[in-house]
Amino acid sequence: QVQLVQSGAEVKKPGASVKVSCKASGYTFTGYYMHWVRQAPGQGLEWMGWINCDSGAAKYEQNFQGRVTMTRDTSISTAYMELSRLKYDDTAVYFCARLSGDRYFDYWGQGALVTVSS
Amino acid sequence: SYVLTQPPSVSVAPGQTARITCGGNNIGSKTVHWYEQKPGQAPVMVVYGGGDRPSGIPERMSGSNSGNTATLTISRVEAGDEADYYCQLWDSSSDYYVFGTGTKVTVL
Repeated sequence: QVQLVQSGAEVKKPGASVKVSCKASGYTFTGYYMHWVRQAPGQGLEWMGWINCDSGAAKYEQNFQGRVTMTRDTSISTAYMELSRLKYDDTAVYFCARLSGDRYFDYWGQGALVTVSS
Repeated sequence: SYVLTQPPSVSVAPGQTARITCGGNNIGSKTVHWYEQKPGQAPVMVVYGGGDRPSGIPERMSGSNSGNTATLTISRVEAGDEADYYCQLWDSSSDYYVFGTGTKVTVL
């Protein structure tokens, strides 16, 4: 069965970087795009961007341009999202989500809480 | 960028029908998907392609879309339907994926 398993919770200081991983199993990793979505405490879902797990091409939402980098390692079927120059309001749960052919998210990781605190 | 607006909350008695709206400019020309999220959990898709349901999702959940409003309808509401619900679409003009603001459904 399809599974997306994310790395654990992180606590970072303002200005630091964080890298969250998303290990996929149960399907052909390179056959899909992986997206990243975050959710601040008590808030809604915010789309951050995607990576083509085959080519490695990525597209980022404008608000994250210059601070986010999405990569993948096909040898271990893992996607990564790195966010730099962290601010207090980057505190959120970060989800990876697989995009289906009809442009909806059919499988989600369990989420990784990133807390930005001094 | 494209904006999707949902009511913050909807309250419904057990056995009644909940209707959750998702407003957007000419949204009826786009394909809208719906997710359910319970506290501390990842979202789960409940309706996709405007009206289809993944396996395991009850027929009580259905979607419609016309004009400037898409709607998720939950018939014969149960206590287990209490959750946050989000609409989502792909905006072809920006190539961005957009989520609605979310609606908290409370079962009275």
